[in-house]
Amino acid sequence: GDSVTQMEGPVTLSEEAFLTINCTYTATGYPSLFWYVQYPGEGLQLLLKATKADDKGSNKGFEATYRKETTSFHLEKGSVQVSDSAVYFCALGHGGGSEKLVFGKGMKLTVNP
Amino acid sequence: GAVVSQHPSWVICKSGTSVKIECRSLDFQATTMFWYRQFPKQSLMLMATSNEGSKATYEQGVEKDKFLINHASLTLSTLTVTSAHPEDSSFYICSAAGQGQETQYFGPGTRLLVL
Repeated sequence: GDSVTQMEGPVTLSEEAFLTINCTYTATGYPSLFWYVQYPGEGLQLLLKATKADDKGSNKGFEATYRKETTSFHLEKGSVQVSDSAVYFCALGHGGGSEKLVFGKGMKLTVNP
Repeated sequence: GAVVSQHPSWVICKSGTSVKIECRSLDFQATTMFWYRQFPKQSLMLMATSNEGSKATYEQGVEKDKFLINHASLTLSTLTVTSAHPEDSSFYICSAAGQGQETQYFGPGTRLLVL
């Protein structure tokens, strides 16, 4: 069946540091890939997505590229801020995002000033 | 963006009792709602998918008689954990998607502790 493997944290970075969160997947067919973020006390929010190979999703300075050859969708940000402290989930689905999703375990990021 | 709420945010109950968790879409009509559960340091696992006015579709291994899901209106779905036991203690999260929406919106979750 489908599965998602992502870096496990927690991770602590200083403000303005570079961030990479690795995510790889196993799936049948050609899934869509997502990154969700959960801020303290809130529900998961869609951060970005890519629906086909070589697509790049981007939002709020975060980027991730759908790499079919390496079955990966790594999340990157060049300069993190304290406000980026949250839990990040990689996920896959077989649609645009309103279908059932398979999630990774999530990674907690703390950014210190 | 669209808002989904859950109530209660946390609940403690005695073993053998039933607990109901509500999931509401506050500013859109949710044709589909999903229920997930999350154990500590584990990923969100889909329990079931419910469409308004239809019976829920449960994932393999999820007991439908234990986790009763009702989606009677376009803004409300409920999950009832019947005869709860300590192993049912978990974090339950719902999400909702409206017709034509390309994403689903998540509630903040409900933490259940069964003593």
